[in-house]
Amino acid sequence: QQKVQQSPESLIVPEGGMASLNCTSSDRNVDYFWWYRQHSGKSPKMLMSIFSNGEKEEGRFTVHLNKASLHTSLHIRDSQPSDSALYLCAASHTGYQNFYFGKGTSLTVIP
Amino acid sequence: GPKVLQIPSHQIIDMGQMVTLNCDPVSNHLYFYWYKQILGQQMEFLVNFYNGKVMEKSKLFKDQFSVERPDGSYFTLKIQPTALEDSAVYFCASSPRERLFFGHGTKLSVL
Repeated sequence: QQKVQQSPESLIVPEGGMASLNCTSSDRNVDYFWWYRQHSGKSPKMLMSIFSNGEKEEGRFTVHLNKASLHTSLHIRDSQPSDSALYLCAASHTGYQNFYFGKGTSLTVIP
Repeated sequence: GPKVLQIPSHQIIDMGQMVTLNCDPVSNHLYFYWYKQILGQQMEFLVNFYNGKVMEKSKLFKDQFSVERPDGSYFTLKIQPTALEDSAVYFCASSPRERLFFGHGTKLSVL
């Protein structure tokens, strides 16, 4: 069973628009979430992490976490063509050093 | 930032041959991982390694796979013998505890 589910599978937004990506874990032990961005042919790079309920903002990127539902979302405002990439959500839990990834959301930002 | 080095970047071998993928993790990291990614899709967990031992392995980590890190040198993934379905990009990652740092990947092509 897939521990981390991401939606949508793919997303197209116009330049300057808002992109919203979702991630949910089915493992009740999960309490840490990460968002990674992977450009084509490159390695994943961590964008943001969130461990507490609520919201975290860094520049154009905002992450939300609802620990009760184990749901996190990533929002990219003023999307740029350079944001076009595969966005991977990962989850882990305290004391268990493993990271489970979802299938990713492929984001395309059209100029 | 911290860098994980992977050697080689691309390896082409015939089916049935043995291959060893090498990873030089960040020097003070304690946890090491191998992930498999096909066609820029899901990052699939293979195995993690700590204190000289495999901690967890997935169903993808077949009997033909093995990992080791002899005397603090390269963290290696060996596949013997290789199969066509082993063709993929293999990413090594290391972690001090939380957060993964990825190498650039080794593209393995099994002919």
